[in-house]
Amino acid sequence: NAGVMQNPRHLVRRRGQEARLRCSPMKGHSHVYWYRQLPEEGLKFMVYLQKENIIDESGMPKERFSAEFPKEGPSILRIQQVVRGDSAAYFCASSPLQGANEQYFGPGTRLTVT
Amino acid sequence: AQKITQTQPGMFVQEKEAVTLDCTYDTSDQSYGLFWYKQPSSGEMIFLIYQGSYDEQNATEGRYSLNFQKARKSANLVISASQLGDSAMYFCAMREGSWTGGFKTIFGAGTRLFVKA
Repeated sequence: NAGVMQNPRHLVRRRGQEARLRCSPMKGHSHVYWYRQLPEEGLKFMVYLQKENIIDESGMPKERFSAEFPKEGPSILRIQQVVRGDSAAYFCASSPLQGANEQYFGPGTRLTVT
Repeated sequence: AQKITQTQPGMFVQEKEAVTLDCTYDTSDQSYGLFWYKQPSSGEMIFLIYQGSYDEQNATEGRYSLNFQKARKSANLVISASQLGDSAMYFCAMREGSWTGGFKTIFGAGTRLFVKA
């Protein structure tokens, strides 16, 4: 049973380019969470999605960031016109239920903006 | 205001000894969950232990136990018989929310644990 998968594991983008981060939840999980971790800091909640729905995006920056979780395929976190401050590790987690006791984390995508 | 506070940026422990990592939290919810995660240098987040706010017994998972003191709003992680492989960053986290509004997990800033041989 594969765990949460994220790709790419490392992504380098120049300022102004777009970054697309993908997350495939564990089999049977329909709840996905995205977190951002800046260097030497804890994870910060960004967005919570169920299939085809954004439930809570209170942690998402108002501009340039968007997320989706389509009926088929992985969840996508999209960052348009990246800036150096977007450099961070982005983690995806999934759970089978809304209030599940644990969230299973993916290995993360490390985004570097040059 | 900080929701999750980890006051120890770094901790040292001798191999085979026990160590306690501190965590205090702040919430007005009656129902919430507390977690500890381990993040080794490779970067992945590893779930260690969970404590529900209504659980009367302290959670234990192998060498990990959670010292839950609800009145003091603390959820300290105790690692017994430390091993060199325990050297990592440890994050305390709290899940709050509701079935209608959805849940989110809030993380502390972390404690870096160094295990000495």
